[in-house]
Amino acid sequence: GAVVSQHPSWVICKSGTSVKIECRSLDFQATTMFWYRQFPKQSLMLMATSNEGSKATYEQGVEKDKFLINHASLTLSTLTVTSAHPEDSSFYICSARTTGVYRKAFFGQGTRLTVV
Amino acid sequence: DAKTTQPPSMDCAEGRAANLPCNHSTISGNEYVYWYRQIHSQGPQYIIHGLKNNETNEMASLIITEDRKSSTLILPHATLRDTAVYYCIVTGNNNDMRFGAGTRLTVKP
Repeated sequence: GAVVSQHPSWVICKSGTSVKIECRSLDFQATTMFWYRQFPKQSLMLMATSNEGSKATYEQGVEKDKFLINHASLTLSTLTVTSAHPEDSSFYICSARTTGVYRKAFFGQGTRLTVV
Repeated sequence: DAKTTQPPSMDCAEGRAANLPCNHSTISGNEYVYWYRQIHSQGPQYIIHGLKNNETNEMASLIITEDRKSSTLILPHATLRDTAVYYCIVTGNNNDMRFGAGTRLTVKP
């Protein structure tokens, strides 16, 4: 299957700082990428959908000024957690969807964010 | 809200077929059924998807009922490495992908 690379795989940051997570589709172009958050023993929660070259669409309850999403190219989307707090500690996962008639979404390996 | 209903957990003996059901009674005509699985602390892995015909690939088979209101993912010979949470997702080509609670499959020796 297609490869989506997410970086970093884990990060520890101090409260109040910002963290950027990158999501790259390595062997296909993705006009649409998704960002999810997953807490322990829970399912993935969709945070936002981003389309290349346009603003992301955020789910209800997700602060767009806190979780900045940039999808500047067909192979790269970034999520920046601004002014991180301990409650932002979570597993963040990105997904990139292929184009064409039979579309599939492929997922990155996830980023474990710990805010101390 | 997720459009699918799955049993929270299932067990399967190693080497036997694992049949994972999914109900999606509100599926619309242009929506596909996707299956993904997530092994602990990893991103979800694509397994298979279909529209209305049964599908098979190297990982699994997908059986969709004629009315498309339910489907079954079949792992023909389950191994211990197939232990994971399996998610059934219904979505259209231009729609987002939302996860329900999934089924935690445990393959036992």
